[in-house]
Amino acid sequence: GAVVSQHPSWVICKSGTSVKIECRSLDFQATTMFWYRQFPKQSLMLMATSNEGSKATYEQGVEKDKFLINHASLTLSTLTVTSAHPEDSSFYICSARDLGTSGSSYNEQFFGPGTRLTVL
Amino acid sequence: AQSVTQLGSHVSVSEGALVLLRCNYSSSVPPYLFWYVQYPNQGLQLLLKYTSAATLVKGINGFEAEFKKSETSFHLTKPSAHMSDAAEYFCAVSDLWGQGNLIFGKGTKLSVKP
Repeated sequence: GAVVSQHPSWVICKSGTSVKIECRSLDFQATTMFWYRQFPKQSLMLMATSNEGSKATYEQGVEKDKFLINHASLTLSTLTVTSAHPEDSSFYICSARDLGTSGSSYNEQFFGPGTRLTVL
Repeated sequence: AQSVTQLGSHVSVSEGALVLLRCNYSSSVPPYLFWYVQYPNQGLQLLLKYTSAATLVKGINGFEAEFKKSETSFHLTKPSAHMSDAAEYFCAVSDLWGQGNLIFGKGTKLSVKP
């Protein structure tokens, strides 16, 4: 099946530093990737939709200058948390949409394993 | 606008008992509906999905769900719970005929007692 990886799986950083999280679709091409944030014991909150070769679409209330998203290829999207602060500590999950033209996986989102960010 | 309501943030069952996790949706267009499972510190794994074909959908790990339009429900069931089923379960609805974004419910934590 379709596999999505995230790197790193966890990261601890100091307040004020920037952190980059990578999301890769390993065995399929994904023109669209999604970035979610999940607070402890809560649901996933969509942060932004990342389209290959174009600017990401951010959800209301998400600071685009703080959460920089780059989708440079059909298999890679990155989320950079700039000038991270303790309130940015969270579990970040990406997903990739499989645009395969056959089978039941069409338009299905496949999720990465998540990245635990802790800002000290 | 679409939304999902999961009744019960925490459900506890005994091993071998029936699992029933409730999900109701709101959608102005025919929905695509999904159930995902999340184990601690992991991403989401698709259990099953409804995409306007059969109303009774069978998924992995013995789970199934039935789409009931009249009740706007998509409850998840499993006849006999295993300890390994303990996890967080999310119901989600997709807009724009399945080509849009996923809108998640708040999740239900399933505990399985020995």
